[in-house]
Amino acid sequence: EAQLVQSGGGLVQPGGSLRLSCVASGFTFRSYWMHWVRQAPGEGLVWVSRSNGDGSDTIYADSVKGRFTVSRDNAKDTLYLDMNSLRAEDTAMYYCVPRGRLSIRGGQGSLVTVSS
Amino acid sequence: DIVMTQSPLSLPVIPGEPASISCRSSQSLMHNNGYNYLDWYVQKPGQSPQLLVYLGSNRASGVPDRFSGSGTDTDFTLKISRVEPEDVGVYYCMQPLQSPYTFGQGTKLEIK
Repeated sequence: EAQLVQSGGGLVQPGGSLRLSCVASGFTFRSYWMHWVRQAPGEGLVWVSRSNGDGSDTIYADSVKGRFTVSRDNAKDTLYLDMNSLRAEDTAMYYCVPRGRLSIRGGQGSLVTVSS
Repeated sequence: DIVMTQSPLSLPVIPGEPASISCRSSQSLMHNNGYNYLDWYVQKPGQSPQLLVYLGSNRASGVPDRFSGSGTDTDFTLKISRVEPEDVGVYYCMQPLQSPYTFGQGTKLEIK
């Protein structure tokens, strides 16, 4: 069964850093674009970043450009999101979401709370 | 940025009846390769998002065939031929054509 398991997240002070991880199993991870999307409580989905299959092409929302970095290790079937200079407005649930031929549910979510 | 506009935002449906969600983009989503870069996702209650349809009309493997996507350019539709109780959730269109990618506001499908 295809699955994504996330880790990381937590409470961090403004200006701090966090790393989110997303480990894939049950499908050919390297064949999938992977998005990071976030969702504030009660709100809709907001796209954050995308990595292509081999990680050579990454793009970001303007709100996180220069502060967040998406990367992947296809040997470990793992996607990462390094978040620096965190702001209160980055507070949200973050999901890794695959895009490919199979319909695969995104990771279970990582709650990031930026607060002093 | 490309603005994605969905309608309706709330969709109460009787089980067994059809449902339709519209998604309009502020710019054409037609790539020069001939494909429309429009995806549909669903977020079921308490779950993470999941791809239903990619490139406008390609149903992702594992998605029931009662779901279908259609449309071109700036006007797209997700149809459910016969709604089942398990289809409850929020449906989002998203354009992966131009960065930054953008989602529609979401359409909440509920059972009457």
